[in-house]
Amino acid sequence: DADVTQTPRNRITKTGKRIMLECSQTKGHDRMYWYRQDPGLGLRLIYYSFDVKDINKGEISDGYSVSRQAQAKFSLSLESAIPNQTALYFCATSDSSGIGTDTQYFGPGTRLTVL
Amino acid sequence: AQSVAQPEDQVNVAEGNPLTVKCTYSVSGNPYLFWYVQYPNRGLQFLLKYITGDNLVKGSYGFEAEFNKSQTSFHLKKPSALVSDSALYFCAVRDTNTGGFKTIFGAGTRLFVKA
Repeated sequence: DADVTQTPRNRITKTGKRIMLECSQTKGHDRMYWYRQDPGLGLRLIYYSFDVKDINKGEISDGYSVSRQAQAKFSLSLESAIPNQTALYFCATSDSSGIGTDTQYFGPGTRLTVL
Repeated sequence: AQSVAQPEDQVNVAEGNPLTVKCTYSVSGNPYLFWYVQYPNRGLQFLLKYITGDNLVKGSYGFEAEFNKSQTSFHLKKPSALVSDSALYFCAVRDTNTGGFKTIFGAGTRLFVKA
């Protein structure tokens, strides 16, 4: 979905390096999420944010941190990357208003490899 | 605690035949149920959702899903499969009883449609 963009799309890094993944959205949504996808495990929630002043840990937040710089921007950082953080990372957004909320809109993903 | 299960890692079907991708869920209250599809090198795309009302929900690309409360299932169906339907399909559930927003995704089912 072009309304949710992620940079970079691919990144190869070494163990111990600090990495930042960025997400921007033009959908005007208030909620943003970071997931990682691993084969056979589906999507697992890393962090989520209801609005700029609200940041919450998901089920697998250890080793990660986030920053919500603006309503449209939500970045994910790996302070010291390790090989088991090799995965496909997705940013998503949703709109809290109206009925049937939490339909999520995903970015194209960032493939991260930690050597 | 809420959970969602997709019992089949892969479903194989011939083009033109009907397809079913299975999903069962567990929530403490009333569920919001979703299906998403992921094509290669793309993010997840929303297909359809069940919030309330008619148990048969119609979505994008000719897909539909039937909510069955007694069997706690939400199977995805299509009357006539296309080769272009080959993708990874995710079922997701949100428990409205918790008052929270958290959506849980299944592990995914890969659909392979053979010409």
